[in-house]
Amino acid sequence: QLQLQESGPGLVKPSETLSLTCTVSGGSISSSSYYWAWIRQPPGKEREWVGSIYYSGTTYYNPSLKSRLTISVDTSKNQFSLKLSSVTAADTAFYYCARLIPAAWRFDPWGQGTLVTVSS
Amino acid sequence: DIQMTQSPSSLSASVGDRVTITCRASQNISTYLNWYQQKPGKAPKLLIYATFSLQSGVPSTFSGSGSGTDFTLTISCLQPEDFASYYCQQSFNTPYTFGQGTRLDLK
Repeated sequence: QLQLQESGPGLVKPSETLSLTCTVSGGSISSSSYYWAWIRQPPGKEREWVGSIYYSGTTYYNPSLKSRLTISVDTSKNQFSLKLSSVTAADTAFYYCARLIPAAWRFDPWGQGTLVTVSS
Repeated sequence: DIQMTQSPSSLSASVGDRVTITCRASQNISTYLNWYQQKPGKAPKLLIYATFSLQSGVPSTFSGSGSGTDFTLTISCLQPEDFASYYCQQSFNTPYTFGQGTRLDLK
């Protein structure tokens, strides 16, 4: 059974870089059948697709975040990561990682999510 | 970006009720519409994909319908474990976008 788990600091200072890692277990991140994604939801606001990556390293970013965003993959560790630079309070959110399945471009399964707060 | 509008934003119902949640897209998305359930502190769970297809393991009391811009998620007979939040998501193009969610609680 595939499982995903987010990890990283829960508190980041304004203007710094938010870094999160998603560890995939129960399956290989190198599968050619899937993509891997980050989704976030600020408290009380709408859920937002952040971006996606293929095991080869090809990335797809939300244009609203593209200038500050880097998503990378480490197949040797079965992990993929998110880095968001120059954060502000608006980046405070629950961050989820998920597998993205091309058939219907659906997210399944998801990690439990981690709350990242941007505050000094 | 395609805007997804869900209604209602909250809903109170009883065990055994039939409930319907709607999702409207700001443009034609064919049947590229997925539904998720989320309970507090838990990972979101895929319920229905491509408008109609029930994810493996999801009870048949859940069903989806629609096409174009208007979609519905129906729970035919509410069970205690169904009280949760529900979100639609369009997968017609990127950036993928979600509805604001519908919170279903016990009347």
